[in-house]
Amino acid sequence: DTEVTQTPKHLVMGMTNKKSLKCEQHMGHRAMYWYKQKAKKPPELMFVYSYEKLSINESVPSRFSPECPNSSLLNLHLHALQPEDSALYLCASSQEPDGNSPLHFGNGTRLTVT
Amino acid sequence: AQSVAQPEDQVNVAEGNPLTVKCTYSVSGNPYLFWYVQYPNRGLQFLLKYITGDNLVKGSYGFEAEFNKSQTSFHLKKPSALVGDSALYFCAVRARTGANNLFFGTGTRLTVIP
Repeated sequence: DTEVTQTPKHLVMGMTNKKSLKCEQHMGHRAMYWYKQKAKKPPELMFVYSYEKLSINESVPSRFSPECPNSSLLNLHLHALQPEDSALYLCASSQEPDGNSPLHFGNGTRLTVT
Repeated sequence: AQSVAQPEDQVNVAEGNPLTVKCTYSVSGNPYLFWYVQYPNRGLQFLLKYITGDNLVKGSYGFEAEFNKSQTSFHLKKPSALVGDSALYFCAVRARTGANNLFFGTGTRLTVIP
């Protein structure tokens, strides 16, 4: 079982909807991440939060908006998505934002945009 | 620039036989290297990492990997494969300095045949 919890597990939304993905960890990790994974592809980094501050935005379109309310929570707000945004969205955390801390992943949210 | 190559999309091995999943990398300086495994509809699970020291790294579920600096490789190995090892395996690299995002290889699907 993963120690990073993501909700919902599945989400179907229309292109005009607004929805949010949620991620929670209670391991005291100080870095949290959002990744996007298309079928049979590696995860692609979207955002990194380090000590609750956004440290990396990999040129993600503004229809994706991250939020880190506190050190345990990470949200991804979705608005006006496109069908090509359908993917598995993975949240991860690491003890520190430095290079040698392994990432702990949640099981993801399977997003379908119709 | 950093990159990771997993030259084999698919590896098949008989149960009980040794397995190897190949990974080569390109990064400035000495890297941090990781292996992750992904089961269907799940997030990635951390298997092992190389930071420094002994070139042979032991990880979860009987897996190990050997860091070879001259060949810039970090192949994943297991002496005796189990059917339950069938999954998608990702090698990942992170630079020690500068922008140290985690870069994933394209993944290798391992199938262990009973």
